[in-house]
Amino acid sequence: DGGITQSPKYLFRKEGQNVTLSCEQNLNHDAMYWYRQDPGQGLRLIYYSQIVNDFQKGDIAEGYSVSREKKESFPLTVTSAQKNPTAFYLCASNNLAGGRPYNEQFFGPGTRLTVL
Amino acid sequence: AQRVTQPEKLLSVFKGAPVELKCNYSYSGSPELFWYVQYSRQRLQLLLRHISRESIKGFTADLNKGETSFHLKKPFAQEEDSAMYYCALRAGWGGSEKLVFGKGTKLTVNP
Repeated sequence: DGGITQSPKYLFRKEGQNVTLSCEQNLNHDAMYWYRQDPGQGLRLIYYSQIVNDFQKGDIAEGYSVSREKKESFPLTVTSAQKNPTAFYLCASNNLAGGRPYNEQFFGPGTRLTVL
Repeated sequence: AQRVTQPEKLLSVFKGAPVELKCNYSYSGSPELFWYVQYSRQRLQLLLRHISRESIKGFTADLNKGETSFHLKKPFAQEEDSAMYYCALRAGWGGSEKLVFGKGTKLTVNP
């Protein structure tokens, strides 16, 4: 069940604190993504990256930040500016061909973040 | 704007009955559509995509460009089909392609 790993599985945070979620992949995929999954909302894209040291905002990037220093790693920081951080966070990766994603996107097992 | 609509939040059928999960999309370009499934305590995984025209676990989906639909069908539902199903559209151009997901349909197959 390898491929994409996320840690931790559960995370608790006090209000006002930043927290970083880890995502690692060993699929040699160029592109990586972060989604937020809320009940009744589906998956919403937070950030994505197609190459090391470059990333783009998704639909709900406010209050989040990312980095892509290595191809296999794409950590997400949930900052204190995020108003509703309690959610299930999914990381994904995709192969690229000619700079465009092709075939399926693979998903990690997720991290459930709860703000106390 | 790209949009994926799954009109049913919840769908409940009996074992052996046919099941259809609806998906409609809005996209001005050439669509690439997927169905993803999330079983209880498992990660989200691809079920099928319209390009491959395959049948997985007895499920099929046909892209209807005229009706902008990509409904998921299975003639005889099984209890193990109970899961959350997401329809997704790959949209964008010039390297900015991304998946746009519907809000999902929770399918329950009763014994």
